[in-house]
Amino acid sequence: DAGITQSPRHKVTETGTPVTLRCHQTENHRYMYWYRQDPGHGLRLIHYSYGVKDTDKGEVSDGYSVSRSKTEDFLLTLESATSSQTSVYFCAISPGTPYGYTFGSGTRLTVV
Amino acid sequence: DQQVKQNSPSLSVQEGRISILNCDYTNSMFDYFLWYKKYPAEGPTFLISISSIKDKNEDGRFTVFLNKSAKHLSLHIVPSQPGDSAVYFCAASGASADSWGKLQFGAGTQVVVTP
Repeated sequence: DAGITQSPRHKVTETGTPVTLRCHQTENHRYMYWYRQDPGHGLRLIHYSYGVKDTDKGEVSDGYSVSRSKTEDFLLTLESATSSQTSVYFCAISPGTPYGYTFGSGTRLTVV
Repeated sequence: DQQVKQNSPSLSVQEGRISILNCDYTNSMFDYFLWYKKYPAEGPTFLISISSIKDKNEDGRFTVFLNKSAKHLSLHIVPSQPGDSAVYFCAASGASADSWGKLQFGAGTQVVVTP
């Protein structure tokens, strides 16, 4: 969707290296979320943000950090990538209601 | 521990017939339920939703039913079309200030519509 873009779309990285995924929105939505999708688990919330510099943990936050210095950008960082973090990562934006979510197209991350 | 469960990982249905997808939840504080559809290499897109004050919501070929006492909801697609082949996720949200807007997802059901 044009209102939300994720970069990169694909990345292969080595165990132990830092990785940053970017989510950019043009909708000026207050809320931004990072989810990971894994077989058998659906989408699980990693971290979310409810405003600039306001972030909180989701259900699978270990090994991840986030930053939001501008309304439009939400960064997800894997400080030291592990093979268990191989996944598809989705960013979502919302005005604050559960029915207002828009998802990005995802980033497929492979940690070797 | 998953609070939203979709116990059927896959469903195959003939074109023109009804598709029924099921979803169970364990958290009685969930107040809003949604279905998302996902094609390969794309993000999930919103399909239909229902709030806990209703037991049915209809939108064209898609109907969602909610049984609060059983903590169960289902999505009916009638008639099924080849373009409906996708993964369908059930999601839920609570009504409290802490949970409102944060979605819990099920594992998904892969639907394949055959000619």
